[in-house]
Amino acid sequence: AQSVTQPDIHITVSEGASLELRCNYSYGATPYLFWYVQSPGQGLQLLLKYFSGDTLVQGIKGFEAEFKRSQSSFNLRKPSVHWSDAAEYFCAVHPQGAQKLVFGQGTRLTINP
Amino acid sequence: DAGVIQSPRHEVTEMGQEVTLRCKPISGHDYLFWYRQTMMRGLELLIYFNNNVPIDDSGMPEDRFSAKMPNASFSTLKIQPSEPRDSAVYFCASSLPTGELFFGEGSRLTVL
Repeated sequence: AQSVTQPDIHITVSEGASLELRCNYSYGATPYLFWYVQSPGQGLQLLLKYFSGDTLVQGIKGFEAEFKRSQSSFNLRKPSVHWSDAAEYFCAVHPQGAQKLVFGQGTRLTINP
Repeated sequence: DAGVIQSPRHEVTEMGQEVTLRCKPISGHDYLFWYRQTMMRGLELLIYFNNNVPIDDSGMPEDRFSAKMPNASFSTLKIQPSEPRDSAVYFCASSLPTGELFFGEGSRLTVL
């Protein structure tokens, strides 16, 4: 079945530590890929997107993500997290030929001071 | 450039009352989506429009929910009658055909 999986429901890291949030998808063809962030009480904000080309994409707030076709993954990374990065992160895919995004369940990120 | 604008930001109502949520998409975006977010169910797609025409309403929970898009710059989501289980944050989002969604700030609905 077509799906988007974020294996980690909740991750806690210390401020200044590196971060990697996992995302795997199950679709026949490479879809468009997105990461969104949702701070408490806010809407979802686009962090970055992958359509084609360079498999390492840079986003806002110092985030990057790498598309790995062989692993059907699109993991989000940040070298050094800040307390303000505490939020919910959603991976989303836009299957080719479809018109609606499919969201993962989200990963809640907590930052320890 | 203004983003997606939703109103009201907060609504508290009593069971049985009619609720109308409003959305103004980003100008030039062909697609408009209504989502509902709860702790239990996460983010659910309710309905989406393309060029003001409803394309997929399979996520609308029941007949109490209806959505309209009378023109390219306005959409409504109506719940009549409302029930406590409808309490949630309702998001509107708009996009171009590439699928990149732009979300509004959401309307937090509490039904007592």
